[in-house]
Amino acid sequence: DVKVTQSSRYLVKRTGEKVFLECVQDMDHENMFWYRQDPGLGLRLIYFSYDVKMKEKGDIPEGYSVSREKKERFSLILESASTNQTSMYLCASKRQGGDTQYFGPGTRLTVL
Amino acid sequence: QQPVQSPQAVILREGEDAVINCSSSKALYSVHWYRQKHGEAPVFLMILLKGGEQKGHEKISASFNEKKQQSSLYLTASQLSYSGTYFCGTGAYRVQTGANNLFFGTGTRLTVIP
Repeated sequence: DVKVTQSSRYLVKRTGEKVFLECVQDMDHENMFWYRQDPGLGLRLIYFSYDVKMKEKGDIPEGYSVSREKKERFSLILESASTNQTSMYLCASKRQGGDTQYFGPGTRLTVL
Repeated sequence: QQPVQSPQAVILREGEDAVINCSSSKALYSVHWYRQKHGEAPVFLMILLKGGEQKGHEKISASFNEKKQQSSLYLTASQLSYSGTYFCGTGAYRVQTGANNLFFGTGTRLTVIP
């Protein structure tokens, strides 16, 4: 079974802090994604990576950056967290050319 | 590029039917449906790749109208286990990199009550 894990289920940070959200997948998938989920807005793509060290912006990349140094790991970075970044963050992965995305359990981030 | 889903929420009694619609302002090449149960990760349900294609998954099926740029998910004789939020996703292919991603819709929260 594909397994996508995220470093924390719940995280509380203060405004201005640098925040790292980690995602690890164990199926050798080439593609990895970061989404944020907000009520009424659905799942919005922040960034995705189609291969190691390669990335593409999604719909809402402002205020975020990403890092993919190893195939199995994709990190989302909030350089200076703000209260409007309080949200549920979901990571997903899939194989290149594949259709099915496999999601992690999510990290609920609260920025105070 | 985010598709719009309707309704935003629906409450059903067990055994009732529901339809969830997904519309896009851009041409659709593929539509993916996912379900997220409360507190869990979204899980893939099905994909429709051709205009006019219909697919079934137990009592959950979907259609894809390429001309109207929309897809519909049909849930018949609903069960308690169908409760959750349903998302459609429209495929996007990036020519320069060969990468493909999805733009997910706004979600439809379905609640089935006894």
